[in-house]
Amino acid sequence: DAKTTQPPSMDCAEGRAANLPCNHSTISGNEYVYWYRQIHSQGPQYIIHGLKNNETNEMASLIITEDRKSSTLILPHATLRDTAVYYCIVLYTGNQFYFGTGTSLTVIP
Amino acid sequence: DAGVIQSPRHEVTEMGQEVTLRCKPISGHNSLFWYRQTMMRGLELLIYFNNNVPIDDSGMPEDRFSAKMPNASFSTLKIQPSEPRDSAVYFCASSFRTKDYGYTFGSGTRLTVV
Repeated sequence: DAKTTQPPSMDCAEGRAANLPCNHSTISGNEYVYWYRQIHSQGPQYIIHGLKNNETNEMASLIITEDRKSSTLILPHATLRDTAVYYCIVLYTGNQFYFGTGTSLTVIP
Repeated sequence: DAGVIQSPRHEVTEMGQEVTLRCKPISGHNSLFWYRQTMMRGLELLIYFNNNVPIDDSGMPEDRFSAKMPNASFSTLKIQPSEPRDSAVYFCASSFRTKDYGYTFGSGTRLTVV
């Protein structure tokens, strides 16, 4: 399975866009990129996923580079409630998600 | 739907005792996953079931851990005997067509073994 690399921590001002990067340089053609987040002490929450096209839903946007070696999760207007650990995961075959260490995002008032 | 339901939310037990954690997946989901989370090791996949059948238990740390899924609406994770190093938050998740919809996680069971 492709591994992912994320910065350990980031800050973002409340109301501004939060851009969380993820490198997955060993990704192969049929591997999906998923993003989850975990707010303190809660179970991880699905945010968004994509294969090669950019995706948007009510929570966030996912931008995947043309070569698919990296992606960016965008929270367009970060709020204090978006403070969480964000995980970028690549899913190959099967059903299993393997979580790395993620990025701890702190939204600052 | 009430989501994935785990019980108990908190469990404190003495070393050597048997501990049973319970999970009710979302109705209609056909895959179920047990994870363990600690500060040191992060989120670890312990075992997963597809259509009630264990598919991959390579993450189960040792024979003291066992998991069952007797039917589509219930799963248990048992630790016998428990040890202090088993203290962690245990999450259950379920899914239907994981690639399309991802997982839904429960709220977790915080286990403390003293």
